[in-house]
Amino acid sequence: EIVLTQSPGTLYMSPGERATLSCRASQSIITNYLAWYQQKPGQAPRLLIFGASSRATGIPDRFSGSGSGTDFTLTISRLEPEDFAVYYCQKYGSSRPTFGQGTKLEIK
Amino acid sequence: QVQVMQSGAEVKKPGSSVKVSCKTSGDSAVTYAFTWVRQAPGQGLEWMGGIIPLFGTTNYAQKFQDRVTITADESTSTAYLEVRSLTSEDTAIYFCARGVVVAGHKGAEPGQLDSWGQGTLVTVSS
Repeated sequence: EIVLTQSPGTLYMSPGERATLSCRASQSIITNYLAWYQQKPGQAPRLLIFGASSRATGIPDRFSGSGSGTDFTLTISRLEPEDFAVYYCQKYGSSRPTFGQGTKLEIK
Repeated sequence: QVQVMQSGAEVKKPGSSVKVSCKTSGDSAVTYAFTWVRQAPGQGLEWMGGIIPLFGTTNYAQKFQDRVTITADESTSTAYLEVRSLTSEDTAIYFCARGVVVAGHKGAEPGQLDSWGQGTLVTVSS
């Protein structure tokens, strides 16, 4: 079973800054079946990125995903106040999909 | 836009079972997957299992294999999650998500989770 490790656990940033979140897999994800989700308090998660780099419908272009193999990154180019939330990566497309433990993006 | 509506909150006694439903509407896709994810208070997301209704195939996380059953009714676009032998550690919000089907190593597998339900709070308490 592939384990996803996200870093950092908490990221303190200011609006307007660029945020970089990391997701590292214990084994190579050859198919690039890697998604990113955003979750705000009291809400269900929302799909941001799938296939490592494709934006989901309606997601602003300040969100971008990159990476391959074992190292994946979610970048938010210019943080808006509504972007402060928890972000999870997920490996899918196998019999044992898994989530990372999450990165909390907090206002500095 | 797919809408996902889950059944309401439940309060259960330890040792009992709970069955949560998840109904989707708003599209006519034939091939899709349901996935169940839970979130304990203050914790992260935990994948529990999924089903592809068209093929009737299910997968479960190893820790839930023996006491969780996921089913689906294609005619009503509804999925169900049953959890048996509940303990206080099962107190959590249970999310249903609908997503696409992708080509995995062993065939069709659930893909990314496009549309999520609002979550169902299950509280296990004596």
